[in-house]
Amino acid sequence: AQKITQTQPGMFVQEKEAVTLDCTYDTSDQSYGLFWYKQPSSGEMIFLIYQGSYDEQNATEGRYSLNFQKARKSANLVISASQLGDSAMYFCAMREGETDSSYKLIFGSGTRLLVRP
Amino acid sequence: DTGVSQDPRHKITKRGQNVTFRCDPISEHNRLYWYRQTLGQGPEFLTYFQNEAQLEKSRLLSDRFSAERPKGSFSTLEIQRTEQGDSAMYLCASSFSEEADTQYFGPGTRLTVL
Repeated sequence: AQKITQTQPGMFVQEKEAVTLDCTYDTSDQSYGLFWYKQPSSGEMIFLIYQGSYDEQNATEGRYSLNFQKARKSANLVISASQLGDSAMYFCAMREGETDSSYKLIFGSGTRLLVRP
Repeated sequence: DTGVSQDPRHKITKRGQNVTFRCDPISEHNRLYWYRQTLGQGPEFLTYFQNEAQLEKSRLLSDRFSAERPKGSFSTLEIQRTEQGDSAMYLCASSFSEEADTQYFGPGTRLTVL
């Protein structure tokens, strides 16, 4: 069964430092997509970064990069040069397959990041 | 370029009442999704539309829940005979069918059932 595991309920990081948020996934599909979303206290889910299972290069978007290790089934989010505004919940999510069966996202339980000044 | 919008943002109702939420997706997005998020958890999938067709429903979507997307644009989610366990954030997302099919979320509707 498809599953996303985020083992860090909470993380602290010093402003301007880098931080890694862990995500492991379980799927039997060869084709899938992995996403990271940020959810500030306001509640809106903000898309950060996407990695396709066939992408050979790790995805990067500004200060965000995704450390994709397919054999280990991990898709860790790296935030460089943390800012106070990065304090939020972060969710890892997976979408299976390229068939027309489903496009739903399966989410992990999230990691709360707090950036210290 | 406007994002996904949801209305209302907050809804307080008494147990047993019916409620309806609206979602307006990003224009030209053909896919629309509803999720439910309870405190401290990640969102859980409820249902999904491609244009006006409802193609998938979660087992979480009991027969008290119904969703429509009549013209393939906005969508409504109705909960009949609300229960306290329905209290949650209801999130809507939309996407355009392409490789990544990235889902963009609205601000959510927070439902409190007293």
